[in-house]
Amino acid sequence: AQSVTQLDSQVPVFEEAPVELRCNYSSSVSVYLFWYVQYPNQGLQLLLKYLSGSTLVKGINGFEAEFNKSQTSFHLRKPSVHISDTAEYFCAVTEKAAGNKLTFGGGTRVLVKP
Amino acid sequence: GAVVSQHPSRVICKSGTSVKIECRSLDFQATTMFWYRQFPKQSLMLMATSNEGSKATYEQGVEKDKFLINHASLTLSTLTVTSAHPEDSSFYICSARGRRTGYEQYFGPGTRLTVT
Repeated sequence: AQSVTQLDSQVPVFEEAPVELRCNYSSSVSVYLFWYVQYPNQGLQLLLKYLSGSTLVKGINGFEAEFNKSQTSFHLRKPSVHISDTAEYFCAVTEKAAGNKLTFGGGTRVLVKP
Repeated sequence: GAVVSQHPSRVICKSGTSVKIECRSLDFQATTMFWYRQFPKQSLMLMATSNEGSKATYEQGVEKDKFLINHASLTLSTLTVTSAHPEDSSFYICSARGRRTGYEQYFGPGTRLTVT
């Protein structure tokens, strides 16, 4: 069975500073990996995904993530955050043969301070 | 991208009544739809997976008689919370995928259910 761990439940960061959100997964088979953002009382918006190919994935809003198979990690980064990046971020994984069922991490709340 | 809508966005109902939530894929055919539940400050928990024209597959611990899911067409799935109780109050989110979206799921905006 697959599982996802987001190591930080909250990350406070100053505006224009870099941020990294950590995500580790556990699976015995090949996986697809996703990062989603959720603003208050809204659904989820896809930031980026890793399906195959280059391990460095660039997404929307200046975010990028790197897939590290040996460390089973998929950390999300942004070099300079804005106040508008304040939100909840979820890492998710699906096994390629799992019927596309997503397993989510516990989420990381990013609070950008001026 | 692909767009998924949910209706209503908020609903308040009395204990013991039933509530129906709709999930629609607006610009693609959704062969599979997923229903999630999210408690405050928590992650999303998958409740069930539904494929068009067949019965939903429920996750362990989810009561199928309480949470009725119908995926009657390639653009519509409904979740009915029957005989709702205050502990059913939650944020319900649907997602959908289809041939056009590949492995990616597109999420609706969510429905806030409050049972009084």
